[in-house]
Amino acid sequence: GQQLNQSPQSMFIQEGEDVSMNCTSSSIFNTWLWYKQDPGEGPVLLIALYKAGELTSNGRLTAQFGITRKDSFLNISASIPSDVGIYFCAGLRSNTGKLIFGQGTTLQVKP
Amino acid sequence: DTEVTQTPKHLVMGMTNKKSLKCEQHMGHRAMYWYKQKAKKPPELMFVYSYEKLSINESVPSRFSPECPNSSLLNLHLHALQPEDSALYLCASSQEGQKLFFGSGTQLSVL
Repeated sequence: GQQLNQSPQSMFIQEGEDVSMNCTSSSIFNTWLWYKQDPGEGPVLLIALYKAGELTSNGRLTAQFGITRKDSFLNISASIPSDVGIYFCAGLRSNTGKLIFGQGTTLQVKP
Repeated sequence: DTEVTQTPKHLVMGMTNKKSLKCEQHMGHRAMYWYKQKAKKPPELMFVYSYEKLSINESVPSRFSPECPNSSLLNLHLHALQPEDSALYLCASSQEGQKLFFGSGTQLSVL
């Protein structure tokens, strides 16, 4: 099935550093979503993007919907230890309700 | 209220057992989903219910049987599972074609 290419696969950073991760696809999506998942828990929605070029912030998080509608990135500024987790991008096809996930970016933050 | 509630949180079952996973949402969402997730992998879609009717079955084995008793409830009946079915089972809900909200999951172990 279709997959999104998410990178990097993992990151190990110092507390206070900024983080950037991105997703690319070979096809167009109507909506891009970014989720964070802690071990043993379900994914929590961080940011939803609905329009090409849209730039949206949620606290220290900023995400953009690419102009071509085939990519998106997520930035985390001034990372803190509780940012640790797995971040998933997901493209949503509104006509089917199917959510296509990236492979995830595992973030570790050193205090 | 943006909560999707799943029970139980953990479940251990033998290969001859019959058990059920339950999911509930009170956001008025008309689409509900079951996902399966292995460790460090993205969630994989199993079933989609739209307006209480099964709309997508991603070729899931018949030992998994979904049920949608009403617009707020979603069940997943399990029978004669295999050890490789051990995983985190996630329920999600959404408005049609909109962002998905996930529950915290049921961690299933099949012995």
